[in-house]
Parts: sequence; structure tokens; C-alpha cells
Amino acid sequence: EVQLVETGGGLIQPGESLRLSCAASGFDVSTNYVSWVRQAPGKGLEWVSVLYSSGPTYYGDAVRGRYTISRDNSKNTVYLQMTGLRVEDTAVYYCAGKWPFEYWGQGTLVTVSS
Amino acid sequence: IQMTQSPSTLSASVGDTVTITCRASQSISPWLAWYQQRPGKAPKLLISKASILESGVPSRFSGGGSGPELTLTISSLQPDDFATYYCQQYYAFPITFGQGTRLESK
Repeated sequence: EVQLVETGGGLIQPGESLRLSCAASGFDVSTNYVSWVRQAPGKGLEWVSVLYSSGPTYYGDAVRGRYTISRDNSKNTVYLQMTGLRVEDTAVYYCAGKWPFEYWGQGTLVTVSS
Repeated sequence: IQMTQSPSTLSASVGDTVTITCRASQSISPWLAWYQQRPGKAPKLLISKASILESGVPSRFSGGGSGPELTLTISSLQPDDFATYYCQQYYAFPITFGQGTRLESK
């Protein structure tokens, strides 16, 4: 059974940094695409980033230059490093596996507020 | 690529057949997926490549259309189907979702 578990969310002040983790089981992050998708409270889905199995990365316009996606194959985990956080980055962040997004985690809430 | 989903809210009854439309600002066919999301839960992939039903998804769900206008049809609505539905294009970056259609019980 595939499981994706996100951790690392929390309350953070504008301008600060945070790293989210997506730990996978039953799913090899090194041979699959893994994405991050976010959902602001009461709003729709917004794609954030993808890490291809072969290495390339892509980002949404709202986060490009501030967020970095990476992985640790030995831990079967994908990360989302978020810097320069803004109030509008407040959302539940999901990691999603495969293309399109067949597997989803339960999400982790990031709240950016002073 | 802008994805315009309609309607934003749809009221229907158990047993009804409903159709949700997603119009892309350019042709994306067949690189369109449909997701179902229940409150407080992660989205669930229903359909990929515009019309391919994912494993385990009931056959009352179907995807159709062509070019920039694609559809999700749910036949014989069941109580479990009342949720929010999103389309997603994965033809080009940035990946974009429709704004969602909330299917509510009449």
C-alpha cells in the first residue's frame, strides 16, 4: 500500500523559512514524479512544484525563486524548502505521487502570520 | 494555460446525471485529469488522459470532450458523489487546476 506522509508544517512569521517533508512507503520517490500541491483555506488547488524521477524540477509562478524541491533517496523522502514566506503562502500543502497525481498525502498546514 | 470550470456550484439529487465542463485557454487534449475532493480530505484522482477511468473508480464517472472543452459526467448520482470536483491540465507548465465545482444535494 502506498503512503505519503507530510510533516513540517506550522505557524511561521512572514519572511521566515520552513522545510516540509514527504516520507513515502510502498512508493519509490527515486523512480517516480513527486509534486507539491497547496490549498489555501476555503480555496481551490494550486500546483506548486514537481521533481522528476530523472532530476529536473519545475515550479509554479507564485513560488519560483523562493521554494526548492529535492529528495533523499536513502530516506525515500521528498522535501520542499520554502523561504521568504508570505501571508499568501498559508495553505495545506500536499505531496502527490505519479503523473497525474494518483497518490496523495494527508497534507500539512502552513500558516504564515505575524 | 487558464482552466475555466463550470458551473462553480451544481445542485442535484440522487439518481440524477450531471456534467461538469472544463474549458482550457488552448488545446490540451488529452492531458486532462479530474479529481474529487471531500471536505477535509486530500483529492482523489478519478480520470486521467481526459477519459481513462482510474482503477476502483465507479463506471458512472466518465470523461469526454475534445480540444479545449472537456467534460466530467456522473451518471445516476450516489450520496457519496456530493463533493467538490477539479479539473487539471498537465499539458504544459505551470500545471493548472480549474477553480472547482461544488456538487451539492438539492
